[in-house]
Amino acid sequence: AQSVAQPEDQVNVAEGNPLTVKCTYSVSGNPYLFWYVQYPNRGLQFLLKYITGDNLVKGSYGFEAEFNKSQTSFHLKKPSALVSDSALYFCAVRGAKRRNTGKLIFGQGTTLQVKP
Amino acid sequence: KAGVTQTPRYLIKTRGQQVTLSCSPISGHRSVSWYQQTPGQGLQFLFEYFSETQRNKGNFPGRFSGRQFSNSRSEMNVSTLELGDSALYLCASSPTWNTEAFFGQGTRLTVV
Repeated sequence: AQSVAQPEDQVNVAEGNPLTVKCTYSVSGNPYLFWYVQYPNRGLQFLLKYITGDNLVKGSYGFEAEFNKSQTSFHLKKPSALVSDSALYFCAVRGAKRRNTGKLIFGQGTTLQVKP
Repeated sequence: KAGVTQTPRYLIKTRGQQVTLSCSPISGHRSVSWYQQTPGQGLQFLFEYFSETQRNKGNFPGRFSGRQFSNSRSEMNVSTLELGDSALYLCASSPTWNTEAFFGQGTRLTVV
C-alpha cells in the first residue's frame, strides 16, 4: 500500500538558518512526489514536484527538495529560513500507475516554526 | 487564470441534515478531487472525477457522494450528517494525471 511518513510533527529553526522537513514514502513503481504548504484557514499551495529527472528539484519561494530513491526520501529544504515560512507542510505521493490518477496520499504534516 | 473556487467557505449544519459543497476547477482542468482534512485523521482522499466519471473513491461511507458536470464543475454531498463530519473539505483540480493538483481554499463544515 502507498504511504507517506513525515517523522517530525514540528520543526523549529531560527530565521536565516537552513531548514529541512523530512519525508519518506512507500509506493509501488516510480513515485510522483509533491510538497504543499498550508497557511491557517487556507487551502494547500503547491511548492514543488518530482516526476523524473534531476534528483534536486527547485520550487517556489526558494524551496528545494532532494529525491533519494535508495532511501525512499524526499526531504524539503531551504538554505535560509524566513519567519514568513512558518506554516504547515505536507508531503504527498501519487502512484505512477494510471489507475491511481488524481489520488494523492498525504503525510500527516509538519509544522514549521521559524523564530526571529 | 482564476484558481479553484469552493463555495461556500463556511457552513454550519445540524446532525441528520444533508449538505452540498461546490467546486469550480481551474479552466481547462478536467480532473477534480476532493479531500477531507481533520486534526485527527489529516488529509484523506474522498473521490476523484474525470470527464464526469468517478475514477477513484476513498474509504468513506456511502453518505459521501459526488458528481461532476460537463463543464468540469463538481459537487460533493454528505447526507445524514454526523458530528464527525466536521472538517475542512478541500477540492483540487489538475489538467492531467501526471501533474500537480491545485487546491481551493476549502469549505469549513461544522456539524452541531
